[in-house]
Amino acid sequence: QSALTQPASVSGSPGQSITVSCTGTSSDVGGFNLVSWYQQHPGKAPKVMIYQVNKRPSGVSNRFSGSKSGNTASLTISGLQAEDEADYYCCSYAGGSSYVFGTGTRVTVL
Amino acid sequence: QVQLVQSGAEVKKPGASVTLSCKTSANTLTTHYIHWVRQAPGQGLEWVAIISPGGDVTDYAQRLQGRVTINRDIITSTVYLDVSSLTSEDTAVYYCASEVAKTSYFDDWGLGTLVTVSS
Repeated sequence: QSALTQPASVSGSPGQSITVSCTGTSSDVGGFNLVSWYQQHPGKAPKVMIYQVNKRPSGVSNRFSGSKSGNTASLTISGLQAEDEADYYCCSYAGGSSYVFGTGTRVTVL
Repeated sequence: QVQLVQSGAEVKKPGASVTLSCKTSANTLTTHYIHWVRQAPGQGLEWVAIISPGGDVTDYAQRLQGRVTINRDIITSTVYLDVSSLTSEDTAVYYCASEVAKTSYFDDWGLGTLVTVSS
């Protein structure tokens, strides 16, 4: 169970769109449509932003969207806002009853 | 929204064991999977363990297997995580999180419990 690979950092100006990638294998990301994304502000618990690749929980802004192609999942934040500055983690079901997280991406709003 | 109330911070010596608790409602235990996720200082999230709504299915991260045990007490609606043979690499904030059965994502989280392993 190796961690999924994410870029260490992504940045963008207010109003722009950014995309965070999450690369795994056919045993996790590529094998199931069960990728979720979490936002974590410093000192806080994570919060789910996307689940089952592209579904948004109630209350999450529609500026957040998810997709998947092969072994790589992506989170796109459109209309970037200052409050979006945080760490983002992907997570995938990995078979049996196990899960694996990504390495995490620091999103910076310039 | 699921309420998950975690126990307080712990300080342990290397080689010791620690038991963390996560209290929820009776209804939650019968309808949700409960997971433990940990985060070392300045590091990313690491999935640790899961217990099913019936309590009959548990699973663990491969690299922690043999040192961690998840169990629950129906009477007190509490889920526990035991971690043994602690080393400094186990220093982390440990979160419990809930998953509505078969949805495969963590919809509610506890506030976390800091475990510090130091001699």
